[in-house]
Amino acid sequence: LAKTTQPISMDSYEGQEVNITCSHNNIATNDYITWYQQFPSQGPRFIIQGYKTKVTNEVASLFIPADRKSSTLSLPRVSLSDTAVYYCLVGERDSSYKLIFGSGTRLLVRP
Amino acid sequence: GAVVSQHPSRVICKSGTSVKIECRSLDFQATTMFWYRQFPKKSLMLMATSNEGSKATYEQGVEKDKFLINHASLTLSTLTVTSAHPEDSSFYICSAYPGLGSDTQYFGPGTRLTVL
Repeated sequence: LAKTTQPISMDSYEGQEVNITCSHNNIATNDYITWYQQFPSQGPRFIIQGYKTKVTNEVASLFIPADRKSSTLSLPRVSLSDTAVYYCLVGERDSSYKLIFGSGTRLLVRP
Repeated sequence: GAVVSQHPSRVICKSGTSVKIECRSLDFQATTMFWYRQFPKKSLMLMATSNEGSKATYEQGVEKDKFLINHASLTLSTLTVTSAHPEDSSFYICSAYPGLGSDTQYFGPGTRLTVL
């Protein structure tokens, strides 16, 4: 079973900030939180990864509270091309780094 | 960097035939590669984990004799769907993990298999 829970779908409009929250109540000490984006008929693409507090890159920000039982992916000023499925995963960085995908969040960005 | 390729990108075959899908890490060596399948509108389902030079570890419910995995080198893993049937039609995706010190797995573009 996947170790994460996300909303099934979200709608937004171009130019808005989108925040997708993921619950991972049973996250282990060695687990990192990773977000992927997937377009139809393509493999997932790495967006961002974090362990605690806040991480930011050129694409998104990831907010992780102190208890690490949830995380929020923030996409600033989304465009139509951000319409995709977003997956939140937790897993150890070392060893086999096996990932189990949950249902993901289907984001639809409207004009 | 960190590019993973798959070949072919799509394949159509007749029922009963076998199909081989290749997964290559183009600019890094992958100690571990993973194979997933994905049905329309569904999430990725992990099928197996393969480590170079050793037998693959299959997830529960995945038939190892039907989905043969070979990880002959640090840059190549192959998935062979043997005696394919229409229910094997799916999107197959591989990923490669560079090993200690790497942030994440890198995914291939996927292979669309259609069995007639």
